[in-house]
Amino acid sequence: SYELTQPLSVSVALGQTARITCGGNNIGSTNVHWYQQKPGQAPVLVIYRDTNRPSGIPERFSGSNSGNTATLTISRAQAGDEADYYCQVWDSITVLFGGGTKLTVL
Amino acid sequence: QVQLVQSGAEVKKPGASVKVSCKASGYTFTSYGITWVRQAPGQGLEWMGWISAYNGNTNYAQKLQGRVTMTTDTSTSTAYMELRSLRSDDTAVYYCAKRGSAGFYFDYWGQGTLVTVSS
Repeated sequence: SYELTQPLSVSVALGQTARITCGGNNIGSTNVHWYQQKPGQAPVLVIYRDTNRPSGIPERFSGSNSGNTATLTISRAQAGDEADYYCQVWDSITVLFGGGTKLTVL
Repeated sequence: QVQLVQSGAEVKKPGASVKVSCKASGYTFTSYGITWVRQAPGQGLEWMGWISAYNGNTNYAQKLQGRVTMTTDTSTSTAYMELRSLRSDDTAVYYCAKRGSAGFYFDYWGQGTLVTVSS
């Protein structure tokens, strides 16, 4: 079965750029979506269809997807960006989530 | 504005059933599917299945086949998820979410419902 692989944790210095990856076999051929989840809260969609930002999501959040890796990039990281981030794909039959990445802003 | 409001926390004994509701507002309910996702304590997101609010078609995660039923009531714009034969590892926060308009992603989520299974 198809699997999505994310690093367990990523750290970034305040104001720097964080990159969170989502690996999968030929993931570049499908649409990838990203969610942010803060403790005790429901997930929030931050990127859909690889590169699109929903209204209200800062331009600092961007996405890319090619080959075997999709990437969520957070520029000028802020303390409020500390959260768990999940990638998600639709596998024609089922929805798959990555295992999640905890982003720490130092 | 779009809102999904879920029913309150539940405590159930092993072997029992639970039914969680998700009342939608702010959009045409029958135009978008509803998916259900759960999250065990300290764990990641697990997709449970989805239901078309248009025609009631469902697609369940293989792991839950036979124990889960998703339904909708279009007269009240409410989706329901029933899970039977509860086990301790079903203890989780259960979320409903609305499918987005341009693909299979989820643009609005309910606040979550904690279901605790304990003897």
